[in-house]
Amino acid sequence: DIQMTQSPSSLSASVGDRVTITCRASQSVSTYLSWYQQKPGKAPKLLIYAASSLQNGVPSRFSGSGSGTDFNLTIISLQPEDFATYYCHQSQNTHTFGQGTKLEI
Amino acid sequence: EVQLVESGGGLIPPGGSLRLSCAASGFTVSSNYMSWVRQAPGKGLEWVSVIYKDGTPYYADSVKGRFTISRDTSKNTVFLQTNSLRAEDTAVYYCATEVGVTGQFDNWGQGTLVTVSS
Repeated sequence: DIQMTQSPSSLSASVGDRVTITCRASQSVSTYLSWYQQKPGKAPKLLIYAASSLQNGVPSRFSGSGSGTDFNLTIISLQPEDFATYYCHQSQNTHTFGQGTKLEI
Repeated sequence: EVQLVESGGGLIPPGGSLRLSCAASGFTVSSNYMSWVRQAPGKGLEWVSVIYKDGTPYYADSVKGRFTISRDTSKNTVFLQTNSLRAEDTAVYYCATEVGVTGQFDNWGQGTLVTVSS
């Protein structure tokens, strides 16, 4: 099974900051990597797919990069609504999620 | 508009069974890969099962032999039959679709809570 490791597990930031969350796969997943945002009590929301493609309707301050085993999610100019938990997800071989990164004010 | 609505969760004692449903609208369930993903209270996301367009199912090792995924195209609904439930199966169960070719979960339902407890 492919394991996904996110870092950091939690992150404190302020409105207007730029933040980067990292996800590492235990073996290559090519670009079968997506990112989700989840707020308390809500279903996850797709932000980025195929490692770097922005889902329709997602603000352009979100971006993804990487391929193979190392991936990043970057949010520039944090907005109040961006404080949430973020998950990476590989779909190269069935599905595995990272453990999540909680982004706090 | 794509919509997924889960139902069937509840409180069930260990060893019991529940059948979860995911009613779809805005697309046909047989035209997409359909998955179940669960989230234990305060924990992360765990993929549970998928049913492919051709009806082939796959399962996470943690539920293999106990859970069964199926679909009813006449009702445009996907099911997850959960048997021999354990305390560690307690979670919100989401259904999700893979619309794109790179396996991302484009659409999610609101989830249904399964609580396994005596």
